[in-house]
Amino acid sequence: GAGVSQSPSNKVTEKGKDVELRCDPISGHTALYWYRQRLGQGLEFLIYFQGNSAPDKSGLPSDRFSAERTGESVSTLTIQRTQQEDSAVYLCASSLPTGGPSATFFGQGTRLTVV
Amino acid sequence: AQSVAQPEDQVNVAEGNPLTVKCTYSVSGNPYLFWYVQYPNRGLQFLLKYITGDNLVKGSYGFEAEFNKSQTSFHLKKPSALVSDSALYFCAVRDKTGGYQKVTFGIGTKLQVIP
Repeated sequence: GAGVSQSPSNKVTEKGKDVELRCDPISGHTALYWYRQRLGQGLEFLIYFQGNSAPDKSGLPSDRFSAERTGESVSTLTIQRTQQEDSAVYLCASSLPTGGPSATFFGQGTRLTVV
Repeated sequence: AQSVAQPEDQVNVAEGNPLTVKCTYSVSGNPYLFWYVQYPNRGLQFLLKYITGDNLVKGSYGFEAEFNKSQTSFHLKKPSALVSDSALYFCAVRDKTGGYQKVTFGIGTKLQVIP
């Protein structure tokens, strides 16, 4: 596609349910990032994939959060047993392996609301 | 730990007037600094960056930013605001030893340009 695509754009879920968020990066982009932005806060780094290397999971806030990436394409971010504090906009970004900030493209995000 | 402060939640400016969106940072060592813009219903877009060299950095859409080491600031500026500049602006920083996944973002400043 022309840009980074995220789905769903909005998700409302009940506390305790699991949710899965999807990111389709730009074709050919081997680097993929997940961020979270809670209301009134900056973007928080969650996880980073680069090709076939082991992902950098250092930003995941708890073991309820996990992410997978199939090769160099789609990534899914899974949140188990959702809590109200998980409510946020979840952003995905992708870039070429040598791409810096100017060559990193963001999706529109998934707004997650836990009720 | 590195941090970014955007002290204004919102900035209002009349069309045609100069605009400034403020950003201060804290990082060990020399910083890499970035500005991003998010237009309504669009993903984050890179605007400009400071890596080294000239303290005045020019970016997309006529924006520029001035790196001030003594004041640890990186304010975003534009000589003449357009209504189409209305958007959410994010400042970001990382130290030169960290990878891009280690970028810290501010909470964002909403710019409203009034016709």
